[in-house]
Amino acid sequence: DTEVTQTPKHLVMGMTNKKSLKCEQHMGHRAMYWYKQKAKKPPELMFVYSYEKLSINESVPSRFSPECPNSSLLNLHLHALQPEDSALYLCASSRTLAARTDTQYFGPGTRLTVL
Amino acid sequence: DAKTTQPNSMESNEEEPVHLPCNHSTISGTDYIHWYRQLPSQGPEYVIHGLTSNVNNRMASLAIAEDRKSSTLILHRATLRDAAVYYCILKQAGTALIFGKGTTLSVSS
Repeated sequence: DTEVTQTPKHLVMGMTNKKSLKCEQHMGHRAMYWYKQKAKKPPELMFVYSYEKLSINESVPSRFSPECPNSSLLNLHLHALQPEDSALYLCASSRTLAARTDTQYFGPGTRLTVL
Repeated sequence: DAKTTQPNSMESNEEEPVHLPCNHSTISGTDYIHWYRQLPSQGPEYVIHGLTSNVNNRMASLAIAEDRKSSTLILHRATLRDAAVYYCILKQAGTALIFGKGTTLSVSS
């Protein structure tokens, strides 16, 4: 099973709402990632977890709060978002963060619209 | 992060070979060259990777220049399903994939 699942597929939220995106993998991977992708642009790295600890935060605003409750699960908590945060949010996982040869497996993404 | 340069777009006909170039003149000796592609409305998917030698797998071939300053992804027989954005990425230890603009490949029947 080389699948990364993301829920929900689509999410519409207001600027005052609190919501969460969920990502799951059962490949035994110990590195998990969040990316943000605007239309017609490449994915931009947001956060990286390695062995359930936050390893990389690419200066993401605090209205995005990641959480890695266990090695299979990654959440992204959203609060007080702005319309410009509307994008496709991609989750990925890899065996480790350290190896230069490890493949990153991506989920299909959550399409977020902020009204 | 070491940078890569790719053409914005390329066109191909179905069942013809496609050569997608990538320049990475500032590559370090330990960087691996990875290629990913993103089909419409999907997350990126792994295509191939290599260090120095040419590599083949069921999806594609990767030809790496002797000085490692450039590489070429080769799709041997393009199909309509190969229409995607192709990303050439240099991977260092302890880092995540950092995507550049990539090459949008169009395939015509």
